[in-house]
Amino acid sequence: GDSVTQMEGPVTLSEEAFLTINCTYTATGYPSLFWYVQYPGEGLQLLLKATKADDKGSNKGFEATYRKETTSFHLEKGSVQVSDSAVYFCALRDGNKLVFGAGTILRVKS
Amino acid sequence: AAGVIQSPRHLIKEKRETATLKCYPIPRHDTVYWYQQGPGQDPQFLISFYEKMQSDKGSIPDRFSAQQFSDYHSELNMSSLELGDSALYFCASSSRDGNNSPLHFGNGTRLTVT
Repeated sequence: GDSVTQMEGPVTLSEEAFLTINCTYTATGYPSLFWYVQYPGEGLQLLLKATKADDKGSNKGFEATYRKETTSFHLEKGSVQVSDSAVYFCALRDGNKLVFGAGTILRVKS
Repeated sequence: AAGVIQSPRHLIKEKRETATLKCYPIPRHDTVYWYQQGPGQDPQFLISFYEKMQSDKGSIPDRFSAQQFSDYHSELNMSSLELGDSALYFCASSSRDGNNSPLHFGNGTRLTVT
């Protein structure tokens, strides 16, 4: 079945550092890809999405590009803030459901 | 903008009791999904409904059942609760748009079974 693999965390960065969270996927067909963020004690919020190869999703300074040749959808941000501390989930749309990666904890220190 | 509404926010039950979780999707969303998230885990898909019919089924135990009503809200019924059922239960909704529609999640119901 379809699956998503994320880099293990936690990822600890200083404020204003560059962030990369790796995500690769295995899928039949051409799924849409998503990044969700979960702040402590809250639900899952859609961060960005891409629906076809070479699409770039972006939101709040975060970006991810759908790379079909490497089956990847890495999340990047040029300068993280303490408020970005959260758990980040990569996901793909598999028919009637989302399949999530294991999640990556991001901790940003001031 | 209106979001997915879940109730209750927190629920404490004893073993072998039953629980009912409710979900109100975003207006004009016709598909509802239920997910279970254990501590430190990624969300696991339980079941989904489209136009009041079950559209997909994941790792939902036989002790659980769900349905979607004519107003598109959904309820997850959980019986013979076990300690291992303690988790965060998310509902999500989307519009029917092939594989492109993102799922919009509610804030979840935290179920604690004692």
